[in-house]
Amino acid sequence: EPEVTQTPSHQVTQMGQEVILRCVPISNHLYFYWYRQILGQKVEFLVSFYNNEISEKSEIFDDQFSVERPDGSNFTLKIRSTKLEDSAMYFCASSRDRRETQYFGPGTRLLVL
Amino acid sequence: AQRVTQPEKLLSVFKGAPVELKCNYSYSGSPELFWYVQYSRQRLQLLLRHISRESIKGFTADLNKGETSFHLKKPFAQEEDSAMYYCALRFRGSTLGRLYFGRGTQLTVWP
Repeated sequence: EPEVTQTPSHQVTQMGQEVILRCVPISNHLYFYWYRQILGQKVEFLVSFYNNEISEKSEIFDDQFSVERPDGSNFTLKIRSTKLEDSAMYFCASSRDRRETQYFGPGTRLLVL
Repeated sequence: AQRVTQPEKLLSVFKGAPVELKCNYSYSGSPELFWYVQYSRQRLQLLLRHISRESIKGFTADLNKGETSFHLKKPFAQEEDSAMYYCALRFRGSTLGRLYFGRGTQLTVWP
């Protein structure tokens, strides 16, 4: 069964550094999402992406964040200048249609020191 | 605005006992409600959604609009049900697909 994959599984970075989190959505899916979960808190929506543009973004998704689909398979989340509070688990998800089930990747645990 | 509330952070039951994981939501329109489960060291996966009205792994959940609840129930819990359970909401008819999650309930089923 096809799955969403994410790399890396863990990333440690220094405050102020740029990080890129990578996701490979399920191949016939058209809608892509990033969520994050700070330790002990709820899973929060960051951004959705369809047809090569952002469909919706939350108040968390400020100018430090960007998303891109650089080729036919990858979907990336870039954090330009990381802050301590960006430490979290970042989940990518994809769905065939916006109303269909979202399938989640295993997550990337980001630690900003 | 707090969209989804799961009042229990931790819930423990013995194998064979009934279990109910509570979920309440706040939304004035018609929501779509979901339960996602995350087993140890695995990814979030959909357990069930209210529009399907199905039973998965013995779990059921009924949307109660009067009480704005979508509690997850199973009559006889099994050890393999131990996991983190998240209730999630989406605006029905939304063109955007965004999910709002509760904080999750860690269910432990003791042998």
